[in-house]
Amino acid sequence: SQQGEEDPQALSIQEGENATMNCSYKTSINNLQWYRQNSGRGLVHLILIRSNEREKHSGRLRVTLDTSKKSSSLLITASRAADTASYFCATVSRRQKLVFGQGTRLTINP
Amino acid sequence: GAGVSQSPSNKVTEKGKDVELRCDPISGHTALYWYRQSLGQGLEFLIYFQGNSAPDKSGLPSDRFSAERTGGSVSTLTIQRTQQEDSAVYLCASSWEAGGRDTQYFGPGTRLTVL
Repeated sequence: SQQGEEDPQALSIQEGENATMNCSYKTSINNLQWYRQNSGRGLVHLILIRSNEREKHSGRLRVTLDTSKKSSSLLITASRAADTASYFCATVSRRQKLVFGQGTRLTINP
Repeated sequence: GAGVSQSPSNKVTEKGKDVELRCDPISGHTALYWYRQSLGQGLEFLIYFQGNSAPDKSGLPSDRFSAERTGGSVSTLTIQRTQQEDSAVYLCASSWEAGGRDTQYFGPGTRLTVL
């Protein structure tokens, strides 16, 4: 079964706007990771946030983690057409492997 | 350096045939993972190798699926007697550390179509 669940399932915004995606999970975690997938093929790692961290930045990306609510958010600022992709959160399960959510399909309209 | 590679990139087979999918991880990575992704869906964990430890096969959907990793490097995922529901993109990933504590680097995937 999936651990992380992304919300919304699909998001469409105008270029230049900010995009926020959320991820909820069920069990305690070691870390939470966000990945991007273009064209339904290989995933690209974006950012990893550990359970003792609350916020992390990488370029236009900002990730927050609230372990009390078992949730994380990914914010992409000043979106670009090239940001159009599916975004997945992944958590480390009890079996010590990454478990991915269903993903959010982000579309940036020019 | 070279990333994770997978072959073939596309495979079309007939129902009932066996297929082998190959993954070449990044050199030195001790952990190797196989996932399956059906159209428009998330990633489904299949199997995980870590060094010389016994693999975690908890995600394999049936006994028609098996995988091996030779010499701690290349891995082969075998699907016997393929069924139409096996059609999906099969993704391989590797990482330095085990247990999801490190970034996973993904290959481009193999798109399997079972007719």
